[in-house]
Amino acid sequence: SQTIHQWPATLVQPVGSPLSLECTVEGTSNPNLYWYRQAAGRGLQLLFYSVGIGQISSEVPQNLSASRPQDRQFILSSKKLLLSDSGFYLCAWSADGTYEKLFFGSGTQLSVL
Amino acid sequence: SQELEQSPQSLIVQEGKNLTINCTSSKTLYGLYWYKQKYGEGLIFLMMLQKGGEEKSHEKITAKLDEKKQQSSLHITASQPSHAGIYLCGADRGGSQGNLIFGKGTKLSVKP
Repeated sequence: SQTIHQWPATLVQPVGSPLSLECTVEGTSNPNLYWYRQAAGRGLQLLFYSVGIGQISSEVPQNLSASRPQDRQFILSSKKLLLSDSGFYLCAWSADGTYEKLFFGSGTQLSVL
Repeated sequence: SQELEQSPQSLIVQEGKNLTINCTSSKTLYGLYWYKQKYGEGLIFLMMLQKGGEEKSHEKITAKLDEKKQQSSLHITASQPSHAGIYLCGADRGGSQGNLIFGKGTKLSVKP
């Protein structure tokens, strides 16, 4: 069966520090991968999605970036965190195809202080 | 751009009571998803609706999509403490696969 791992579960970082969140999927090949952010009082917002290795699409301009160095690995990064980057980050995957449901990781609660 | 409005924003019910959560779209829905999120955890897929008038049930949870495909409701019968959490509706924006937009969620608390 397929599983998705996301870590760390919680993270407290000072403003201006770098960020690296990792997500890996097991049990499937060539998944579509996504990074979502859930800010307090707001809905889930799609940040990045990837349909293959090295293929990243950005949905919103920001100081975050994403990379997919391997088929089942998706990394969310920042060189310098801002206070506004605080939130709950969720990685998700879906099978290749239309109207495929998303499977979400357990999330990372990021607090930037 | 398409938006999803969920109501109510929060809901507190007594165990055993029925409840309904609504999700309204500003545009026609071509794929409506319901997810449940336990506080601080990931999202669990509940159901997906695509056809106008479609209705699906899983255990005590029933989701419907209206004929015009602009509104969906999630109904829980005889609520239990295990139903507590945040319920989110998501809609397919078309284009990129899995490119879902989400409502802001409905926080459900069930009092024993």
